[in-house]
Amino acid sequence: DVQMTQSPSSLSASVGDRVTITCQASEDINTSLNWYQQKPGKAPRLLIYDASNLETGVPSRFSGSGSGTDFTFIISGLQPEDIATYYCQQYDNLLYTFGQGTKLEIK
Amino acid sequence: QVQLVQSGAEVKKPGASVKVSCQASGYTFTNFAIHWVRQAPGQGLEWMGWINAGNGYTKYSQKFQGRVTITRDTSASTAYMDLSSLTSEDTAIYYCARATGNFNYWGQGTLVTVSS
Repeated sequence: DVQMTQSPSSLSASVGDRVTITCQASEDINTSLNWYQQKPGKAPRLLIYDASNLETGVPSRFSGSGSGTDFTFIISGLQPEDIATYYCQQYDNLLYTFGQGTKLEIK
Repeated sequence: QVQLVQSGAEVKKPGASVKVSCQASGYTFTNFAIHWVRQAPGQGLEWMGWINAGNGYTKYSQKFQGRVTITRDTSASTAYMDLSSLTSEDTAIYYCARATGNFNYWGQGTLVTVSS
């Protein structure tokens, strides 16, 4: 099965900062990579699908890039409401895997 | 609008089984897969498996193979996740999600507590 290594596991940033999270797949998954935001007590919310496509209704400060094994998620201009845990998720050969998550806090 | 409504919280003893349901509405049930994802307290998301709601094909995470069974009832637009031989490590919130590669709709989650 494909393993996902997500980093960092936590980070603290200031409002307005650019925040970067990375995910590395254990094998080539092309662009079969999605990003989610989860707030406490809530189900996850899809933000980015197929590595770089913004889900409808998601603010444009969120973006994703990458292909193959290395992927990047960026928040351009952190807002207070972005406090959450973020997960990458791959789908390859009918099997799915999540990254370990990145807990984002405001400085 | 698309909705996935899950069954209520469960408390089970070690060794027992639990069956969680996920009723879909607002779309053609048989056109999409339903996946099951769990989250232990304070932990990350863990994918368990999925069912093609149209033809009933299933695929499970190797971790849960042999212990989880996902089924569906097309007449009721409902998917089910059955997990057996429960231990305290199975205490978690269990989510169903509609998927086409990505999980764009989620159920509200069902808390399963395993305790003697």
